[in-house]
Amino acid sequence: AQTVTQSQPEMSVQEAETVTLSCTYDTSESDYYLFWYKQPPSRQMILVIRQEAYKQQNATENRFSVNFQKAAKSFSLKISDSQLGDAAMYFCAYRRAHSEGAQKLVFGQGTRLTINP
Amino acid sequence: GAVVSQHPSRVICKSGTSVKIECRSLDFQATTMFWYRQFPKQSLMLMATSNEGSKATYEQGVEKDKFLINHASLTLSTLTVTSAHPEDSSFYICSARVPGYNEKLFFGSGTQLSVL
Repeated sequence: AQTVTQSQPEMSVQEAETVTLSCTYDTSESDYYLFWYKQPPSRQMILVIRQEAYKQQNATENRFSVNFQKAAKSFSLKISDSQLGDAAMYFCAYRRAHSEGAQKLVFGQGTRLTINP
Repeated sequence: GAVVSQHPSRVICKSGTSVKIECRSLDFQATTMFWYRQFPKQSLMLMATSNEGSKATYEQGVEKDKFLINHASLTLSTLTVTSAHPEDSSFYICSARVPGYNEKLFFGSGTQLSVL
């Protein structure tokens, strides 16, 4: 079974600074998707960024970028120019690309990010 | 973007009663929806996969008689917590796969269930 591990329960960063959230995963699959979701206090799950495993290029979305290391099974999220609105729980998630149950997301434990003004 | 509406957002009920939670796709047809459960300060755990027109697929350890899922139409899936007990108190979230956006799942806003 696939597992996703986030080893940082909490992180904090000064506003305008850069922070990196860590995520590792375990799978025997070669094709899959990885995601970072944000859950603010409203508890609405918001997709931040996604990465296809077959792509070597790291995904970027404005201030958010990932460092995808397939061999190491590592998928970290970098937030640049942190803003107060970035404060939230961040979940790393894995999804198989093919076969039955390919739509299911497996989530990590989450990292609570605090932005200090 | 695709919208998934979940109701109610919060429900308080007495122990032994049943509670129904609705998950609707507002601007697309969702053949597959997913139900997650989230305990305080914990991650989301998949409970079941809801398939339109067929029986739901439950994850290991989830009681199918306790958590009844009905996906009778392409825009509506319901989760009924039967004979609720305090240990069923949790945050329940649905999500739906958007056709044509194979890698994307959209989430409802969640339902906080409190059983007294």
